[in-house]
Amino acid sequence: DTAVSQTPKYLVTQMGNDKSIKCEQNLGHDTMYWYKQDSKKFLKIMFSYNNKELIINETVPNRFSPKSPDKAHLNLHINSLELGDSAVYFCASSQDVVRGDYGYTFGSGTRLTVV
Amino acid sequence: ELKVEQNPLFLSMQEGKNYTIYCNYSTTSDRLYWYRQDPGKSLESLFVLLSNGAVKQEGRLMASLDTKARLSTLHITAAVHDLSATYFCAVDPSGTYKYIFGTGTRLKVLA
Repeated sequence: DTAVSQTPKYLVTQMGNDKSIKCEQNLGHDTMYWYKQDSKKFLKIMFSYNNKELIINETVPNRFSPKSPDKAHLNLHINSLELGDSAVYFCASSQDVVRGDYGYTFGSGTRLTVV
Repeated sequence: ELKVEQNPLFLSMQEGKNYTIYCNYSTTSDRLYWYRQDPGKSLESLFVLLSNGAVKQEGRLMASLDTKARLSTLHITAAVHDLSATYFCAVDPSGTYKYIFGTGTRLKVLA
């Protein structure tokens, strides 16, 4: 199946821990993103990579570090987790608009709960 | 600061009725996107509107874009229960793939 795959789907962890979320897309897209959706459903961009190069780096605590080993993968590592980090994190991808703008394709999301 | 506002935030409607969701944005953008999110699920692309005057229809949903008014509408015709979801609009004002999402409209269609 062609898709954007995120793992894990659910993540429950204690404050202070370090965790990673992985994302892979097999759509051949050039750009990948991380978005955070809070409890009020508000979606905010965190990072974006185009062909392994960081192109968007919003005002996010430096405890959050993205890594893109190749253009099909974008992982998110979070250090020293805090209660306020609890949210749903969505990975997404898109192709270069010069090849046609079809919008983002989203992954299924990772629900992170920090206790 | 760029704002993307949707109206209404919550909508409860009877099956068979028509209604329109509005998306207003505060800066220039030639492109606008509509997404649907079911509870606990991912976001599914509904429409990609790429120019002023663009109109797209899929089933009971029709979306339009007026870039001069900075307004997009999502019109629902003869609503059915399966349309119950949260609908988001998004704009990409700088053309750099950075979408700014609206506040979302939570739609509930009552049987």
